Amino acid sequence: KAGVTQTPRYLIKTRGQQVTLSCSPISGHRSVSWYQQTPGQGLQFLFEYFSETQRNKGNFPGRFSGRQFSNSRSEMNVSTLELGDSALYLCASSSGTGVFYEQYFGPGTRLTVT
Amino acid sequence: AQRVTQPEKLLSVFKGAPVELKCNYSYSGSPELFWYVQYSRQRLQLLLRHISRESIKGFTADLNKGETSFHLKKPFAQEEDSAMYYCPPRGPNNAGNMLTFGGGTRLMVKP
Repeated sequence: KAGVTQTPRYLIKTRGQQVTLSCSPISGHRSVSWYQQTPGQGLQFLFEYFSETQRNKGNFPGRFSGRQFSNSRSEMNVSTLELGDSALYLCASSSGTGVFYEQYFGPGTRLTVT
Repeated sequence: AQRVTQPEKLLSVFKGAPVELKCNYSYSGSPELFWYVQYSRQRLQLLLRHISRESIKGFTADLNKGETSFHLKKPFAQEEDSAMYYCPPRGPNNAGNMLTFGGGTRLMVKP
């Protein structure tokens, strides 16, 4: 079965621009979570979507938003990019919720803001 | 709020030596803890979960509620164990699949 895919894999943007990242979960998985990974802050939870509804949100400014489509694919958007938004953005999908359900991570999208 | 501390940023051992990666947590409610591993150029992946009580790749982890610890152990480290290790708790129960990651520990196993 195909794993979680993220597009694009690499992205370079200029400060002030906006960016949209895409995540395709494993087939049948309805939960998609997003994380930001930076050398300074490590891995931080952004938000989770389940069946097109945002179920939880991390402590990030409103410039970070997301959505999920009926086929469970998810996008996250960052508006008015700042240099500090440079990071690896990971998404993870799961078929359920709870300790018995594994979260499968994608390879990430590396965003560089100049 | 959930919080996890992995006190060692880097742990370096020789092949064949025992290894213990420390993980301390603070948690409200019943803890759900995992160990995730990221090998070089690979995706973050689940290694084991606290309810499993099984050995994965020779690794075991015991949840100690009294000490609020969930240390990862392996009696004989192998070079292929070199990776970044995280022990994020999930939850609380109304937080879906949210994982709270600490800083992680980089394990280097020298030949």
